[in-house]
Amino acid sequence: DSGVTQTPKHLITATGQRVTLRCSPRSGDLSVYWYQQSLDQGLQFLIQYYNGEERAKGNILERFSAQQFPDLHSELNLSSLELGDSALYFCASSVGPAGDGDTQYFGPGTRLTVL
Amino acid sequence: SQQGEEDPQALSIQEGENATMNCSYKTSINNLQWYRQNSGRGLVHLILIRSNEREKHSGRLRVTLDTSKKSSSLLITASRAADTASYFCATDAESGGSNYKLTFGKGTLLTVNP
Repeated sequence: DSGVTQTPKHLITATGQRVTLRCSPRSGDLSVYWYQQSLDQGLQFLIQYYNGEERAKGNILERFSAQQFPDLHSELNLSSLELGDSALYFCASSVGPAGDGDTQYFGPGTRLTVL
Repeated sequence: SQQGEEDPQALSIQEGENATMNCSYKTSINNLQWYRQNSGRGLVHLILIRSNEREKHSGRLRVTLDTSKKSSSLLITASRAADTASYFCATDAESGGSNYKLTFGKGTLLTVNP
């Protein structure tokens, strides 16, 4: 158990809908990262927040947004869902910002299926 | 495109044998990390090697880094069936200003047969 929690574990929804994925980092970690893992694209970095502020951005679509709240939990919002958004979405946390070799601890993931 | 590329894509060995996986990357890095993922589950950090290090050990794991060739290898000795998983290398690269992000390869699927 990494100490990172993600809810829900599974999510099945229809195209065009909007969903929110939730992540609670390990106690004491200030950074939260979101990743998308699919068979064709592999593990793609989406976005990072550090202590409430956006820190780094990866291949995140404009239909996706995220935020980190004062209690450090984070939410990833996916809107206007398409079939291709079906994937495993992982949240990870670390003590500080990446770049100084912080280990990232991954949550168990949310499996999103868009029908 | 992926910063790290693992090789081979899949590896099948017998219990007790050693497993070697390689990772190549394209740009300069500060650190390189190896992660493990059991099917459909979260990634677990295995080991980190800094750009000024050449070799690192952790239990049955040995990681090497050759910055001149932009490559790393992960050796698992005396493999066990429980080592069956996908293994990813991850490199940190500047994403703008002083901010860095981890970029993962597509992984090597290791199967250890009892």
